[in-house]
Amino acid sequence: AQKVTQAQTEISVVEKEDVTLDCVYETRDTTYYLFWYKQPPSGELVFLIRRNSFDEQNEISGRYSWNFQKSTSSFNFTITASQVVDSAVYFCALSATNQAGTALIFGKGTTLSVSS
Amino acid sequence: NAGVTQTPKFQVLKTGQSMTLQCAQDMNHEYMSWYRQDPGMGLRLIHYSVGAGITDQGEVPNGYNVSRSTTEDFPLRLLSAAPSQTSVYFCASSYSTEAREQYFGPGTRLTVT
Repeated sequence: AQKVTQAQTEISVVEKEDVTLDCVYETRDTTYYLFWYKQPPSGELVFLIRRNSFDEQNEISGRYSWNFQKSTSSFNFTITASQVVDSAVYFCALSATNQAGTALIFGKGTTLSVSS
Repeated sequence: NAGVTQTPKFQVLKTGQSMTLQCAQDMNHEYMSWYRQDPGMGLRLIHYSVGAGITDQGEVPNGYNVSRSTTEDFPLRLLSAAPSQTSVYFCASSYSTEAREQYFGPGTRLTVT
């Protein structure tokens, strides 16, 4: 079965703290893609990153970084020096290949609250 | 480009009423899909389409119909609304059926009383 687990339901930090959001996935596919999306309080879904299963290099984008480890089936997301604007729900997602194409399987999300 | 648009933003229905949630994209994307988001459940796929005239069921299709007569539009129909369909509905589109990032619309918040 294909599944995404985000074990942390809610995380609260104070501004400038670093925070890591965990994501563990299950899939039998040898080729797959992992994603992170951000959902701020306004409700829209914002794409953050896509990573394919053959690329285990870590990625850094400003204060955001992602650590992909196939050996542990994890794709964790770290925010360095968090800011109040980072407060949102963060979803990890896995591409699932079906007969016609792909769809996304989402984790249940982690709500991050950053206080000043 | 407007991206992915959804109408209405909010809707209240009575049990048994029918309605159509509209979704349109102007990016010439072949792949479109509908998800519902419920508290603590993440997003779950309802139906998807890989091109005009082709649709298929996702994880939670019961109670919903879709059609895809044009590349741009992918409406979601509720034939007889039930309280269990109270949710936030997101439409998404993607350039291809490969695993590219999906672009999401702003969502429709539906309440069924």
